[in-house]
Amino acid sequence: AQSVAQPEDQVNVAEGNPLTVKCTYSVSGNPYLFWYVQYPNRGLQFLLKYITGDNLVKGSYGFEAEFNKSQTSFHLKKPSALVSDSALYFCAVPPTGFQKLVFGTGTRLLVSP
Amino acid sequence: AAGVIQSPRHLIKEKRETATLKCYPIPRHDTVYWYQQGPGQDPQFLISFYEKMQSDKGSIPDRFSAQQFSDYHSELNMSSLELGDSALYFCASSLVELGTGLEDTQYFGPGTRLTVL
Repeated sequence: AQSVAQPEDQVNVAEGNPLTVKCTYSVSGNPYLFWYVQYPNRGLQFLLKYITGDNLVKGSYGFEAEFNKSQTSFHLKKPSALVSDSALYFCAVPPTGFQKLVFGTGTRLLVSP
Repeated sequence: AAGVIQSPRHLIKEKRETATLKCYPIPRHDTVYWYQQGPGQDPQFLISFYEKMQSDKGSIPDRFSAQQFSDYHSELNMSSLELGDSALYFCASSLVELGTGLEDTQYFGPGTRLTVL
């Protein structure tokens, strides 16, 4: 079955430092991969997706993700973290095509001033 | 840009009561999804509709039912509520890309927080 794994429950980073939130996938065929962010008491906001093409995907709020087929990873990155980036981040994959999403367990990002 | 609208935002019910959650998708989107997110959990898919027909079904209890109406809004009906139904319920919408048959990115609403006492 198609699935994603987020190995870190929490990531701590100082403001201004680069951040990485990890995601690995287990997908047969060509994967479609997504990143969403959830702020407290708010819904899930779409950040970016990988369908095909360039391995480096640029998304909202300065985030980007690198698709690595050999390592089956799709890590979320940002060159310089902001305190306002503190939130819960979910990696997701549709089991078949674009349909329902299966989410990872989420990674809480804490950016300290 | 218009987003997915969900109502109500908060709902408090007693055990064994009934609740109805409403979702208004982004204009022109033809697919609606419902997800349930328990405390500290990742969202779990419940059910989806494409062009007013059920397109997929996940781990949705038999006590729950849903439908999509002619104006594409959707309602999730929950009966005989249990304490374990307390959760955040998200609706998402997407548009099937012409010529591909594939749904595009899902955009989520703010959620309805249901508390069952």
